[in-house]
Amino acid sequence: QITLKESGPTLVKPTQPLTLTCTFSGFSLTTTGVGVGWIRQPPGKALEWLALIYWNDDKRYRSSLKSRLTITKDTSKNQVVLTMTNMDPVDTATYYCVHPKWLLGQQRVGGFDYWGQGTLVTVSS
Amino acid sequence: DVQLTQSPSFLSASVGDRVTITCRASQGISTNLAWYQQKPGKGPKLLICAASTLQSGVPSRFSGSGSGTEFTLTISSLQPDDFASYYCQQLDSYPLAFGGGTKVEIK
Repeated sequence: QITLKESGPTLVKPTQPLTLTCTFSGFSLTTTGVGVGWIRQPPGKALEWLALIYWNDDKRYRSSLKSRLTITKDTSKNQVVLTMTNMDPVDTATYYCVHPKWLLGQQRVGGFDYWGQGTLVTVSS
Repeated sequence: DVQLTQSPSFLSASVGDRVTITCRASQGISTNLAWYQQKPGKGPKLLICAASTLQSGVPSRFSGSGSGTEFTLTISSLQPDDFASYYCQQLDSYPLAFGGGTKVEIK
């Protein structure tokens, strides 16, 4: 059974960095095709894909946030960490850790089939 | 970057209605599209991947179609449990992107 859980601060001051940790179980980030990603949703707004890291350490980022985002993995701890620098009130959102569904026949991600419960991060002084 | 435009952004429908949501991509994405359902206060649920492949456990009243730049999610007979928001997502190229969402409410 796959589970993911986000942890980190619920309140961040403007200009400060945000560090979120995703702790997962039920799969290994050393297995071909496996990855872990982050998606956020500002209150009342649409979903925004942020970043994705694969078993082979391939990393992908949202274009508009690429300079502010870093995603890393610790396979021994079954954790993925997302860091976002220079936080702003517009970054206030629920942040979700997600597991991509790997389409074997196509060797690509087909969607995100498991989601963490989400963690609301508020950026305010 | 690929942009997705969903329409309508809001629709009001009755139980039993046939509902269709459209997602248009700014460039061709083959069938690399997923659909999600999100209920208030909950994380999204993957309904369909590869434009038309229903996830295990998703009722057969949901169906997806399309390829290239135009896609549809159809609910053949709307049930009370289906009142929610729906999002499309392109997975053809990075950065991955979501549509703006469609909120389905009870008429």
